[in-house]
Amino acid sequence: DQQVKQNSPSLSVQEGRISILNCDYTNSMFDYFLWYKKYPAEGPTFLISISSIKDKNEDGRFTVFLNKSAKHLSLHIVPSQPGDSAVYFCAATPEGSGGSNYKLTFGKGTLLTVNP
Amino acid sequence: GAVVSQHPSRVICKSGTSVKIECRSLDFQATTMFWYRQFPKKSLMLMATSNEGSKATYEQGVEKDKFLINHASLTLSTLTVTSAHPEDSSFYICSARDYRAPNEQFFGPGTRLTVL
Repeated sequence: DQQVKQNSPSLSVQEGRISILNCDYTNSMFDYFLWYKKYPAEGPTFLISISSIKDKNEDGRFTVFLNKSAKHLSLHIVPSQPGDSAVYFCAATPEGSGGSNYKLTFGKGTLLTVNP
Repeated sequence: GAVVSQHPSRVICKSGTSVKIECRSLDFQATTMFWYRQFPKKSLMLMATSNEGSKATYEQGVEKDKFLINHASLTLSTLTVTSAHPEDSSFYICSARDYRAPNEQFFGPGTRLTVL
């Protein structure tokens, strides 16, 4: 049972345009969500996160939107750059306070390709 | 930012031998470290959660006698793959929690294990 789903295995966009990466979850106990970026043969790098008490968090070119009623979140990258090309993982945890039961559940990732 | 290192980055071993992978938090104390395994084109699979000074908590389906985890200090956790078989070949990634950012995990660069 996949609790975090990234239904698009890949996405291709033109440089300068917006990239929208989507993520759905099924576990209503999740209350903290994170996006990671990963290059081949490297560990994931933290990008941005959002708590369930918010519906938007912005950091530079990256914005994450959370729709709790739909159990859906998305990552927007504007403007997209060729260096953004990587696999993006959505992750969620039910322990937003970082308690002892904290652990992340990851989606399968979406490969983003930004074409020059 | 929080930096996590892994050693070795790549290892090739013969079937039946044991391999130890080290995970270090370089500029912070990690009370909790996590070990993941990533199969090609698949998500990160959590293998176990390691708390300093106590036994690791393994996820369902992960053999604790095969994947030995030791978290002897606040900056070091090790994963030993015992009696390795070709099906153990994978990309192993560790992560660590920094108490200053308890909702986030910082990942190491990963270790590519190939068992011949």
